[in-house]
Amino acid sequence: QQPVQSPQAVILREGEDAVINCSSSKALYSVHWYRQKHGEAPVFLMILLKGGEQKGHDKISASFNEKKQQSSLYLTASQLSYSGTYFCGTEIRETSGSRLTFGEGTQLTVNP
Amino acid sequence: DTEVTQTPKHLVMGMTNKKSLKCEQHMGHRAMYWYKQKAKKPPELMFVYSYEKLSINESVPSRFSPECPNSSLLNLHLHALQPEDSALYLCASSQGAQRGARYNEQFFGPGTRLTVL
Repeated sequence: QQPVQSPQAVILREGEDAVINCSSSKALYSVHWYRQKHGEAPVFLMILLKGGEQKGHDKISASFNEKKQQSSLYLTASQLSYSGTYFCGTEIRETSGSRLTFGEGTQLTVNP
Repeated sequence: DTEVTQTPKHLVMGMTNKKSLKCEQHMGHRAMYWYKQKAKKPPELMFVYSYEKLSINESVPSRFSPECPNSSLLNLHLHALQPEDSALYLCASSQGAQRGARYNEQFFGPGTRLTVL
């Protein structure tokens, strides 16, 4: 089942902050965050495991509330290069393998 | 090498054609994925290969046929496609969830933009 992302779109001025949320109704192994610029491939930003471990870019921060199956991505002091569509992906592990399901995305625009 | 490559970049085909998409990675990853992405929509999982075996098929029509010749290569064979199959086809790779890898972040190739006439 697809995770729910909010907001759908955000417009910021350079230097402002934003929070993007992702929630799932299923028990997750991990949450992934990716950014996709127009015409390009999604780029990995962050992975958060149940149990608290995480790995990702230094300038990106995120949280994962295991009890609520919710994750948030925190973009602080935004730069023009942050513009793009942000997708959360919820990972469920089964005997057959790992399945990643993406939310609908949040379109972030950072203006000068 | 942290790159996933895909060929061709663009493909236009008729409904009676047979074509193939190719994907390659040299990161030593043991899981490879095919996704379909329509405009302004998220990537949608089609197939997962783990250790060169098909592990997940998301009920994809048989006109799409995946193949994993070795751990670095992934193909998607296309036959008798429909215009609604026009989309960006993304390949991705990761360490793989089987055999205990904790982190399974995926690295995406640039995609093949497919148009079916």
